Amino acid sequence: NAGVTQTPKFRILKIGQSMTLQCTQDMNHNYMYWYRQDPGMGLKLIYYSVGAGITDKGEVPNGYNVSRSTTEDFPLRLELAAPSQTSVYFCGSSYMYYGYTFGSGTRLTVV
Amino acid sequence: GQQLNQSPQSMFIQEGEDVSMNCTSSSIFNTWLWYKQDPGEGPVLLIALYKAGELTSNGRLTAQFGITRKDSFLNISASIPSDVGIYFCAGQLTTGNQFYFGTGTSLTVIP
Repeated sequence: NAGVTQTPKFRILKIGQSMTLQCTQDMNHNYMYWYRQDPGMGLKLIYYSVGAGITDKGEVPNGYNVSRSTTEDFPLRLELAAPSQTSVYFCGSSYMYYGYTFGSGTRLTVV
Repeated sequence: GQQLNQSPQSMFIQEGEDVSMNCTSSSIFNTWLWYKQDPGEGPVLLIALYKAGELTSNGRLTAQFGITRKDSFLNISASIPSDVGIYFCAGQLTTGNQFYFGTGTSLTVIP
């Protein structure tokens, strides 16, 4: 019973590089989310999905892309990493608005 | 994006004391969530509130959905050292699927 699993846990990127943050949930939740958390701040929504094949922008989507080809997976793509994307990224899932669960985070540094 | 104001920003209390914190907004929300985040971990859901006036407990924690639907409160009774962490509120507007997070209340419990 893993819940929400995020990989990698840590990553250092150079400016302009790209990477994919992976997120998998095994709770059969229909909703999935990506948030970023900057130091001393709350979480800000990047993208969310209400089901396979459906994605929507959140508060801070610029510089990111997502896809949702299966119920379980919701990867987040950074195409051209910038220092402003240094943050901790959390993936979450829920069944409708219930059982909102987060992964343990990916700490990303762009240098 | 929506602004959720949490207060206080930080608290230093003696073990055994009760704790109160709140979250306010200028907008009406239809769901409130309270989370606790330990260092290096993702937020963990403590209590979910779905109806104005609702009072819900989880052990020593009690949360209330404000009557105006613009605020929520979290109380912790008889604090213990493991209560240390950052407490976040999150609210969902009456329309849309996004949850907006507050900036957190940092709690330190002095043994």
